[in-house]
Parts: sequence; structure tokens; C-alpha cells
Amino acid sequence: QVQLVQSGAEVKKPGSSVKVSCKASGGTFSSYAISWVRQAPGQGLEWMGGTIPIFGTAKYAQKFQGRVTITADKSTSTAYMELSSLRSEDTAVYYCARDGSSGPLGYWGQGTLVTVSS
Amino acid sequence: DIVMTQSPDSLAVSLGERATINCKSSQSVLYSSNNKNYLAWYQQKPGQPPKLLIYWASTRESGVPDRFSGSGSGTDFTLTISSLQAEDVAVYYCQQYYSTLSITFGQGTRLEIK
Repeated sequence: QVQLVQSGAEVKKPGSSVKVSCKASGGTFSSYAISWVRQAPGQGLEWMGGTIPIFGTAKYAQKFQGRVTITADKSTSTAYMELSSLRSEDTAVYYCARDGSSGPLGYWGQGTLVTVSS
Repeated sequence: DIVMTQSPDSLAVSLGERATINCKSSQSVLYSSNNKNYLAWYQQKPGQPPKLLIYWASTRESGVPDRFSGSGSGTDFTLTISSLQAEDVAVYYCQQYYSTLSITFGQGTRLEIK
């Protein structure tokens, strides 16, 4: 059974950076794409980017290009999302999600609340 | 980027009645080489992460009740709940995954009990 466990809530100052982790257990970590999706309070789902660990490269939504970095450590089955130059509009729950054998995002982490406030 | 547009934004249906949610993509998500539509549906309840319901436009994820069904092809898709149950109150999202690591979601449809 695949499980994704994310790091805990964060409170950050505007202009700073945040790094959220997502540790996978069960299944094969490296072969499946891992995406990061965020959800601002009361808003919809927004795909930020993702990576396929076995290939070691990441792809990002245009909106976040230059501000987000997604990496994966195959040795610890952990994915990371780092967002820089934080502003209040980045206050959101950040989810990691992994593709299943059938294709799309079949497994989700519990979410990490990032609050950006001065 | 492929833009996904859902309708309606919100919907109220009586218990036991049919609920229908539509999703339109700005370009076709039908991959001609395998004749598959790269379209999924998710259900999200308050305080929870989204849950995958349907993939390939019409294939139910394991464990999803058969009152949930997906249909459509190309650019126009529908999620149908044949007989609404109280536990189906949620926000529903369509998502395209036509290109590897290039995903977009619809804006969501809030489903409530009338």
C-alpha cells in the first residue's frame, strides 16, 4: 500500500523560502511521477510541477517557473518542493501526489499548510 | 497549456437523484495512438486530499461505487452520479494529463444536497 507522508505546517515571512518534504513508502518510488499541487484557502487545485525520480528531471507549471524547485532523493524515497520569494498569496495547503499504475494521481499526501505572514 | 472548464460551478441535487457535472478541455485529450482520453475525475471532501474516482475518462478506480460513471471523448466529458447519497457531498474536479508532467485541473464543482 503506497503512503505519502508530508512534513509539518510552516509559517514563513514574505520573501523567504519554504521546503516541504514528501516521504513515500510501499510500491516503487523511482518509476512513478510525483507532482506537487497546491490549494489556497477556499480555492481549487493548482498543479505546480513534478518529477519522475528515475529520470532526475523536473517540469514546472509556467506560473511557478523560476520560483519552485522539485527534487527527489531515491535513497530515502523522499520528494521535495521548495518555493522561494514567498508572498501572502502563497498561503495554501501543499500536496504531493503520485501517479498510480493506471496513470494519474492515485496517491496523495495529507497536505502541508504553509502560511506566509509578516 | 490545456485549459479545463467545468460546469456548473455548483449544483444542488436531491438524495437519490442524478447529478451531472460537465468538463470541457481547450484541446483534445484523446491520444490517437492508443485511443485513450487522458481525463480524470477527483472528489474532495473538506479537510481531505482529493481522491481519484475515474481515469481514462470512464474507468472507475478500485473501490469507487458504481453509481459514479464517466463518459465523453476528445474535449467534452461528463461525470454522473446515478443516485446521490449524502456522502457524495463534495467538490469534484476534472483533470487532464495528456502530456507527461503537464497537468491542469478544472475549477471545481461544488455538489450539495437539495
